[in-house]
Amino acid sequence: DQQVKQNSPSLSVQEGRISILNCDYTNSMFDYFLWYKKYPAEGPTFLISISSIKDKNEDGRFTVFLNKSAKHLSLHIVPSQPGDSAVYFCAAGRGGSEKLVFGKGTKLTVNP
Amino acid sequence: ETGVTQTPRHLVMGMTNKKSLKCEQHLGHNAMYWYKQSAKKPLELMFVYSLEERVENNSVPSRFSPECPNSSHLFLHLHTLQPEDSALYLCASSQDWGTYEQYFGPGTRLTVT
Repeated sequence: DQQVKQNSPSLSVQEGRISILNCDYTNSMFDYFLWYKKYPAEGPTFLISISSIKDKNEDGRFTVFLNKSAKHLSLHIVPSQPGDSAVYFCAAGRGGSEKLVFGKGTKLTVNP
Repeated sequence: ETGVTQTPRHLVMGMTNKKSLKCEQHLGHNAMYWYKQSAKKPLELMFVYSLEERVENNSVPSRFSPECPNSSHLFLHLHTLQPEDSALYLCASSQDWGTYEQYFGPGTRLTVT
């Protein structure tokens, strides 16, 4: 039973345009969400997070939106750059359990 | 060295071999983790250590044996593995157990023949 789902295995966008990566979750107890980025031959690196008391968190070109009623979060990258090409993982955690539950990842390709 | 390092980066072993994966973090963190990433599957948490004590064992077979001699080092001892254990094994650390932001090493690509 997959509690965190990234239904798009891949996404391709043009440099300068917006990239939108989506993530859905099933466990309403999750109260903290993170995005990680992974380049080939490297481990995942923390990108941005959001707690359930917020619906938006912004850090430079990266914005994460949380829709609790839909159990959906998204990562927006504006403007997209070729260096953003990587696999993006969504992860969720809940208070009282220190485990993170990860999605399968979405491979983003930003074309010059 | 900075961040989280893992050795070896690649490992091929037979089903009767014994080998160990090593992880070292240079961040002063108190919690360390082992994850497994199989093809087409999400990262799966295997073990968590907090201040050198194991606090989580996520139903992992006994052929995987973790060791945390101090807060900077974490080992995963492997013996009599199966071909389905072939995967990318990632080590991570966080400031404390319960801190969601985790810092990952580059991983060890393990192939069991």
